[in-house]
Amino acid sequence: DQQVKQNSPSLSVQEGRISILNCDYTNSMFDYFLWYKKYPAEGPTFLISISSIKDKNEDGRFTVFLNKSAKHLSLHIVPSQPGDSAVYFCAATIVGGSQGNLIFGKGTKLSVKP
Amino acid sequence: EAGVVQSPRYKIIEKKQPVAFWCNPISGHNTLYWYLQNLGQGPELLIRYENEEAVDDSQLPKDRFSAERLKGVDSTLKIQPAELGDSAVYLCASSRLGVGETQYFGPGTRLLVL
Repeated sequence: DQQVKQNSPSLSVQEGRISILNCDYTNSMFDYFLWYKKYPAEGPTFLISISSIKDKNEDGRFTVFLNKSAKHLSLHIVPSQPGDSAVYFCAATIVGGSQGNLIFGKGTKLSVKP
Repeated sequence: EAGVVQSPRYKIIEKKQPVAFWCNPISGHNTLYWYLQNLGQGPELLIRYENEEAVDDSQLPKDRFSAERLKGVDSTLKIQPAELGDSAVYLCASSRLGVGETQYFGPGTRLLVL
């Protein structure tokens, strides 16, 4: 059973518009969430993270929102640029204790069209 | 600061042959991870090291996979013998000591078993 789900395999957005990538999780123990971006033939690159004590974290054009009650997080990219075209992975973990491994979703492929 | 280094980038072998992957983490990062990424999936953890100790190898298929991190710096992941189903991307990541720290990924080794 997948603990982290990205239900949209792909998303296409026009340049300059907002991209919204969604992620759902089932394990209520997760308390730290990350987004990674991956270009073809490269490893995932860390983008932005959020702790469960917050509901929003912003870094430039990227904002992550966390809704703990719904076990849902989203990544907003505004404005979207063609260079943002990549696969985006959502990941979750539990800080502390014996489990510190990242659990990844399957990814969403974002295409930003000029 | 240099990133996570992996070699080789690509490897093609015949089934039943052995293969080894090498990883050098970011300087000062005590925790090292090996992930497996199949096509269309997110990375899945194989093994996690804190310094030279393997603290989580529960997902490592120990009948054919082995790993070592003898001096607590670089690491080698080995498959012997390789099977057709082992064709995937093998990713190495590192982070500072402690769970919850952001993991930084190398470019990966793409393995094809014929």
